[in-house]
Amino acid sequence: SQTIHQWPATLVQPVGSPLSLECTVEGTSNPNLYWYRQAAGRGLQLLFYSVGIGQISSEVPQNLSASRPQDRQFILSSKKLLLSDSGFYLCAWSDRGQGVTDTQYFGPGTRLTVL
Amino acid sequence: AQSVTQPDIHITVSEGASLELRCNYSYGATPYLFWYVQSPGQGLQLLLKYFSGDTLVQGIKGFEAEFKRSQSSFNLRKPSVHWSDAAEYFCAVDPGGYQKVTFGTGTKLQVIP
Repeated sequence: SQTIHQWPATLVQPVGSPLSLECTVEGTSNPNLYWYRQAAGRGLQLLFYSVGIGQISSEVPQNLSASRPQDRQFILSSKKLLLSDSGFYLCAWSDRGQGVTDTQYFGPGTRLTVL
Repeated sequence: AQSVTQPDIHITVSEGASLELRCNYSYGATPYLFWYVQSPGQGLQLLLKYFSGDTLVQGIKGFEAEFKRSQSSFNLRKPSVHWSDAAEYFCAVDPGGYQKVTFGTGTKLQVIP
């Protein structure tokens, strides 16, 4: 069966510091991968998605970036964090080879607090 | 513009009572529809999904949802709520054709004894 991991679970960082959040998927190959942010009371905001290694699409211009160095690894980064980057970050995957729809499965999330 | 609406931000029900969470969408054609649940501090878990066929869909944890094309709705129901159902529920819509999945803003469910 497929599993998705996110690391770390929680993170407290000062403003201006760098960021690296990692997401890995097991049990599938060539997945679509997604990064979402969930700010308090604001639902899910799609940040990035990837359909393959090195292929990243950005949905919202900001100081965050994403990379996909391996098929089942998705990394969210920032060179300098802002207070507004605080939130709950969710990684998701979908099996683009299955049918025509995009059923997404989510990781446990990373709680980021920027002070 | 395409959209997904969950009109109820917060709902409180008594344990054992029935539950209905509303979801409306605005798309040109019938999309694929999903309901997810999120417990505090956790990721989203897929409850159920509708692709085609029978408009009443059964999911996990005793939940069901009914697709009504005429009302552009996909409401989530449960006949008897348990305290463990307290969570936030998200409706999501996939228009298909490689368009992005859109999530509603969520409905927080509180269950009182």
